[in-house]
Amino acid sequence: AQSVAQPEDQVNVAEGNPLTVKCTYSVSGNPYLFWYVQYPNRGLQFLLKYITGDNLVKGSYGFEAEFNKSQTSFHLKKPSALVSDSALYFCAVSAAEDGNNRLAFGKGNQVVVIP
Amino acid sequence: DAGVTQSPTHLIKTRGQQVTLRCSPKSGHDTVSWYQQALGQGPQFIFQYYEEEERQRGNFPDRFSGHQFPNYSSELNVNALLLGDSALYLCASRFSGVVEQFFGPGTRLTVL
Repeated sequence: AQSVAQPEDQVNVAEGNPLTVKCTYSVSGNPYLFWYVQYPNRGLQFLLKYITGDNLVKGSYGFEAEFNKSQTSFHLKKPSALVSDSALYFCAVSAAEDGNNRLAFGKGNQVVVIP
Repeated sequence: DAGVTQSPTHLIKTRGQQVTLRCSPKSGHDTVSWYQQALGQGPQFIFQYYEEEERQRGNFPDRFSGHQFPNYSSELNVNALLLGDSALYLCASRFSGVVEQFFGPGTRLTVL
């Protein structure tokens, strides 16, 4: 079974400052890792994924994430936060050996960017 | 190109009733998964359909059932509704050869 931990309920950051949202995971075998963002009353919007290769992956809207196998982490980062980045962020994992790509999500982090 | 669509947007039912939610996958996608997102929680996997068959199921009771049609669209049926079934139900689709899933806007189900 796989699981995700997102330890912080809310992340507050000033506009223009770096943004980091933390995620650690547990999975049997090799992980596929994902970040999604959810705006109020909306579905999940795909940001980026790690499948294999370079540990630093770049995604949409200036977001990037770093895969760290030894720490089983996949933290989401953005160098300079915008007010429009305020939303709910979910980290998800699936097992590479699971051909069905069943996703396990964390509970989410509310990001608040302060103007 | 339309993304994943779901209907209805909102639904109110009473305990004991039955409900059917619908999903049309993104064009070119053949695999559909359903997730339940309770308030303040992350989505929980219900089941996945491919080639009109249920491929994998999460920890949900048999009251939750589904179907996939030849055009890849899908339905989620929930029988004997409980108050705890109130949630946002998300449909996700993907092409079977890739890993990333694309989510629809969801159906908000309220059980009174």
